[in-house]
Amino acid sequence: QSALTQPPSASGSPGQSVTISCTGTSSDVGGYNYVSWYQQHPGKAPKIMIYEVNKRPSGVPDRFSGSKSGNTASLTVSGLQAEDEADYYCCSYTGSSWVFGGGTKLTVL
Amino acid sequence: EGQLVESGGDLVQPGGSLRLSCAASGFTFSRDWMHWVRQAPGKGLVWVSRIDFDGITTAYADSVKGRFTISRDNAKNTLYLQMNSLRAEDTAVYYCARGQWYAMGVWGQGTTVTVSS
Repeated sequence: QSALTQPPSASGSPGQSVTISCTGTSSDVGGYNYVSWYQQHPGKAPKIMIYEVNKRPSGVPDRFSGSKSGNTASLTVSGLQAEDEADYYCCSYTGSSWVFGGGTKLTVL
Repeated sequence: EGQLVESGGDLVQPGGSLRLSCAASGFTFSRDWMHWVRQAPGKGLVWVSRIDFDGITTAYADSVKGRFTISRDNAKNTLYLQMNSLRAEDTAVYYCARGQWYAMGVWGQGTTVTVSS
């Protein structure tokens, strides 16, 4: 149950697009279309942003999108806004459990 | 969408026990899997455990297997996590989450567990 690999940080200016990667193995990310992404602001509970690789729950802006290629999933935030500054975590089902990435701190410059 | 409220977090000595609760409302609790996820101070999210609809099938992270037990009372709309043989490394905020789409669709606000002498 090794954690998925995410870059520790990412940044972009308002209006720009940023992509955060999430690399696993064929036993998790590559093996299932059950990758989800979570946003967490300081001191707050996580909030789901993407599920099943590329689906958005009701209420999540369409500026957030997800994709997957092989063992790597990605979250893209388009049209960056100040309120997007937060920690982002990917998560994958492994067939019997779930595994999170280490998290990426997104800074809006 | 629903709401989840955790309780039971406390300061406990190494080797001690604690039971966390998670009260669910606003959705049909008995139809959903439920999860516990924890976050150590300044660290990332770590999946801890999952229980299916009727409490028969459970799963645990290796780090807590044999020490933690997840359970639920669908009549009370409540999820539990019994934690035994607690270690310093179990110190974390513990979140319960509603299982949706093989993901965690709704999260509680968390309850803090501190293991220290």
